[in-house]
Amino acid sequence: DVKVTQSSRYLVKRTGEKVFLECVQDMDHENMFWYRQDPGLGLRLIYFSYDVKMKEKGDIPEGYSVSREKKERFSLILESASTNQTSMYLCASSSYIRGRQTEAFFGQGTRLTVV
Amino acid sequence: KQEVTQIPAALSVPEGENLVLNCSFTDSAIYNLQWFRQDPGKGLTSLLLIQSSQREQTSGRLNASLDKSSGRSTLYIAASQPGDSATYLCAVGGGGNKLTFGTGTQLKVEL
Repeated sequence: DVKVTQSSRYLVKRTGEKVFLECVQDMDHENMFWYRQDPGLGLRLIYFSYDVKMKEKGDIPEGYSVSREKKERFSLILESASTNQTSMYLCASSSYIRGRQTEAFFGQGTRLTVV
Repeated sequence: KQEVTQIPAALSVPEGENLVLNCSFTDSAIYNLQWFRQDPGKGLTSLLLIQSSQREQTSGRLNASLDKSSGRSTLYIAASQPGDSATYLCAVGGGGNKLTFGTGTQLKVEL
């Protein structure tokens, strides 16, 4: 059974803290993604990665960075957490088969509250 | 920029009813379209993936169709059950396997 695992279901952090959200997938997927989900705004792409040590900005990268040192792990970093980063964060992974993109698999989400 | 719209935003039906959820997108140059289900406070569960060259996909009581030229997809749920209650999200796959999501249809199936 395919699996994308996020390190925490719930996190509470203080304003100004550096926050690490971890995501691990066991499917040997090339592509990994970080989204945030907010009521009325839907899911928005923060960063994504096609391969180890590669990263690309999504639609809302400001205030975030990412790290992908190993193929199975993709970390999202909030350099200095702010209250407007309170959100549900979702990690996803996908791959290619015979040149076609496969379905994306999502983790269970991390509900981050910044106080 | 791709925009994805889902109508209706919320839907309540009695158990056993067949129903259709709609998804429309503005840019027809897509690679695929994926339907997801999300239960409250949880992550997304993939339901169906339709490649751009396909017209429909079926899985159990679910059938998804794709009409690229008109920028539309529908998710048909047959014989709905209370366990189908969830938010259903449509996502359009563009370059780089990036997905652009709609804001979802919240479905409630009542006994």
